[in-house]
Amino acid sequence: AQSVAQPEDQVNVAEGNPLTVKCTYSVSGNPYLFWYVQYPNRGLQFLLKYITGDNLVKGSYGFEAEFNKSQTSFHLKKPSALVSDSALYFCAVRDLGGFKTIFGAGTRLFVKA
Amino acid sequence: DTAVSQTPKYLVTQMGNDKSIKCEQNLGHDTMYWYKQDSKKFLKIMFSYNNKELIINETVPNRFSPKSPDKAHLNLHINSLELGDSAVYFCASSQIGDYGYTFGSGTRLTVV
Repeated sequence: AQSVAQPEDQVNVAEGNPLTVKCTYSVSGNPYLFWYVQYPNRGLQFLLKYITGDNLVKGSYGFEAEFNKSQTSFHLKKPSALVSDSALYFCAVRDLGGFKTIFGAGTRLFVKA
Repeated sequence: DTAVSQTPKYLVTQMGNDKSIKCEQNLGHDTMYWYKQDSKKFLKIMFSYNNKELIINETVPNRFSPKSPDKAHLNLHINSLELGDSAVYFCASSQIGDYGYTFGSGTRLTVV
């Protein structure tokens, strides 16, 4: 069965510093991996995805994520955090040929000015 | 132009009532989903339809019944509402071969 774990409930970072939000996954085959962001009282917004190819994936708002097959990880990164990046971030996984996308529990990112 | 729209945005109702939530997408996607987000922000898939055919039916009470009249619409009907049904319900859509979801803004259901 597929699963995804986000080990940190909250990540705190100062504005201008690099940020990392961690995600590890478990699937029976090759994974499709995603990151979404949720601002207060809003729906989730798609940030980026990994299907195949280059392990470093670039997405919206300057975010990127690195796929690491040996560590089964897909950490979200940004070189320089903004206060406006403060939100709830969800990692998600879908196995090849499956219909279901499973979401992690979410990590709250707080960027301090 | 709203890509995935849900109505109503807020729904407050008493225990035992029956209510419906509607979802429409204008993206031409062929797959639609209902997710439930609880008070701890955990997201759980409930149902999915592909071209009006039910393809995911998770373990949810049979008080919950989805209906897809066409591939652009997916509605959720809930019978005999209970306090534990209080949550935010999100509709989403995707296109086969892409798998990235477009979410609606959610329906906050409060059962009192």
